[in-house]
Amino acid sequence: DVKVTQSSRYLVKRTGEKVFLECVQDMDHENMFWYRQDPGLGLRLIYFSYDVKMKEKGDIPEGYSVSREKKERFSLILESASTNQTSMYLCASSLRVGGNQPQHFGDGTRLSIL
Amino acid sequence: AQSVTQLDSHVSVSEGTPVLLRCNYSSSYSPSLFWYVQHPNKGLQLLLKYTSAATLVKGINGFEAEFKKSETSFHLTKPSAHMSDAAEYFCVVSNSGGYNKLIFGAGTRLAVHP
Repeated sequence: DVKVTQSSRYLVKRTGEKVFLECVQDMDHENMFWYRQDPGLGLRLIYFSYDVKMKEKGDIPEGYSVSREKKERFSLILESASTNQTSMYLCASSLRVGGNQPQHFGDGTRLSIL
Repeated sequence: AQSVTQLDSHVSVSEGTPVLLRCNYSSSYSPSLFWYVQHPNKGLQLLLKYTSAATLVKGINGFEAEFKKSETSFHLTKPSAHMSDAAEYFCVVSNSGGYNKLIFGAGTRLAVHP
C-alpha cells in the first residue's frame, strides 16, 4: 500500500514565523501535491511537483512556496505565517503524469496560526 | 473546462438502508472519475475509480458507482449502510490535460443513524 506521511498532525505557530510542513511518500511517485482544506471551500490546490526540483503553482499559491530536493519528499513553506493560513493541509502523491492515476493522501496537518 | 457538482451537501440514512450520493460532472475529455472518503481528522481515502473500462465500478467497503455518459453522472451507492460509513465523500474528476490535477466536488456529508 502507498504510504504518504505528513510530519505533524497538529501544529501551532505564531504570526510572522516561517513554517515548514513536510511530506514523504514511499512509492517512488513522480507527482506530489499540497492542498488546503477549509469548511465551505473544499480542497484547494496550493502547489504541485511532477519531478525533483520542478514545481507548478496551483490555484492559491500566494503566501506559500515549496521545495522538492528528493523524489520522496515535498515540503510546503509558509514564508511569514498569517492567521488566514490557519487550515488543514493535505499532501498527496500519484504515480505518473496522466489522467487515470489516483492521488494518495496523507492524514493531514491541522495548522493554527496565532 | 472540467467541473464536478455534488448534488447534496448532507445525506442522512438509517443503518441497514441503501445509500445514494449523487455526482454530476462536466468534461471536454473522456473523464477519469474518482470517489474519495474522508473520516474526521483524517486524509482522503480512495473508494473507487472509473477510467473508461467497465461503467459499473466496484470499490472498497461495499460501495459502487455507475458511470452514465448520457446523464454525465457518477453516483455512488451502497446497498446497506453501516455506522462506520458516516464520513464526508468527495466526487473528483481528473484533469486529463496533464499533470494529473484533480478537481474536487464540494463534498457530501453522510450521517448514519441507528
